[in-house]
Amino acid sequence: AQRVTQPEKLLSVFKGAPVELKCNYSYSGSPELFWYVQYSRQRLQLLLRHISRESIKGFTADLNKGETSFHLKKPFAQEEDSAMYYCALNRRSQGNLIFGKGTKLSVKP
Amino acid sequence: GAGVSQSPSNKVTEKGKDVELRCDPISGHTALYWYRQRLGQGLEFLIYFQGNSAPDKSGLPSDRFSAERTGESVSTLTIQRTQQEDSAVYLCASSLYQNTEAFFGQGTRLTVV
Repeated sequence: AQRVTQPEKLLSVFKGAPVELKCNYSYSGSPELFWYVQYSRQRLQLLLRHISRESIKGFTADLNKGETSFHLKKPFAQEEDSAMYYCALNRRSQGNLIFGKGTKLSVKP
Repeated sequence: GAGVSQSPSNKVTEKGKDVELRCDPISGHTALYWYRQRLGQGLEFLIYFQGNSAPDKSGLPSDRFSAERTGESVSTLTIQRTQQEDSAVYLCASSLYQNTEAFFGQGTRLTVV
């Protein structure tokens, strides 16, 4: 079965602390993975994708095919990082995106 | 702006009535997605359109749900004989091609009373 698992519904950290949002996937083909973010009262938007290997707003994510993971990391969390984060899998053969249930990140001052 | 537009933004309907939700994708985007987001839940895939190909309807939860798209333009999601469990935010997204970044609308919040 193709699925995306985000084990944490809520993650709460203090400002300046490292943060890691977990994402595991199950997919038999060649995966393309994304992180989307939804800030309060804003639209869901792309944060980063694994093929770009970029750092956006200090966040990075590495695809680990052996562990079938795509965890999102930031060394020093900021209050403005508080949002809902969704990991998504693009099923290349079908072309559509499936999402995990999301993790709410709360960064406390 | 030139983003994905959804209407209405809010809809309250009585149980048993039919509702129609509209999505205007970004011009030129060939792919269009519908998702459902229930309170406290993640995004549940409903249906996917790609160009003139047959849509992927594998996520539609029941035959009360249907969607249409005219060419590469507007899409409508119809829910017949609404039930209280249909209450959710319905999100539409579009992307330029298959497998490229998806841009989301603000969603339609549907409340069935």
